[in-house]
Amino acid sequence: QKEVEQNSGPLSVPEGAIASLNCTYSDRGSQSFFWYRQYSGKSPELIMSIYSNGDKEDGRFTAQLNKASQYVSLLIRDSQPSDSATYLCAVSTPGNEKLTFGTGTRLTIIP
Amino acid sequence: EAQVTQNPRYLITVTGKKLTVTCSQNMNHEYMSWYRQDPGLGLRQIYYSMNVEVTDKGDVPEGYKVSRKEKRNFPLILESPSPNQTSLYFCASSPGGRGYGYTFGSGTRLTVV
Repeated sequence: QKEVEQNSGPLSVPEGAIASLNCTYSDRGSQSFFWYRQYSGKSPELIMSIYSNGDKEDGRFTAQLNKASQYVSLLIRDSQPSDSATYLCAVSTPGNEKLTFGTGTRLTIIP
Repeated sequence: EAQVTQNPRYLITVTGKKLTVTCSQNMNHEYMSWYRQDPGLGLRQIYYSMNVEVTDKGDVPEGYKVSRKEKRNFPLILESPSPNQTSLYFCASSPGGRGYGYTFGSGTRLTVV
């Protein structure tokens, strides 16, 4: 079983709609959870972090964490073509020294 | 500007020729890490460091060395590169602590022939 699992996609969403990205993790001791965005040929860019159960909102992005179900999600509201990228879910150990990534979900926003 | 700087951006080398990829951060971060990214395998951690002179293996450390003699620098050394080390490499740093993620450098695309 992979430590961090994501649907590889591609996920296609019409412009203006809500994009929903999902991630599951296997280590119940995981402390912090992150969503990174990576454009083709570029480095990963941190867009959201969450460590408490529930929702965390930042602009058009909402991260959701359910530790009981070992599930993290990212919602992107009012999707824009510039949101087309690969989204990486990452999970850290208690000391935050080790960050494990999923293989990413490729998102395409259709104008 | 707060950043993680890697050099070189692109490197083509031959099997067995020692090389070093440099990494420097100007954010006074405690944690630094090296990742490699391969199609279908995602980002995999090679080594990480929690402070000066404190390093530990990640998931794929074979064939790599690191050192952390200064807080800002964390070079990646390939003593005898092989073709299976052809990859895209990222250095990253973090202040550590709950909820603080890593900031990534621009990447080094390495080809070993």
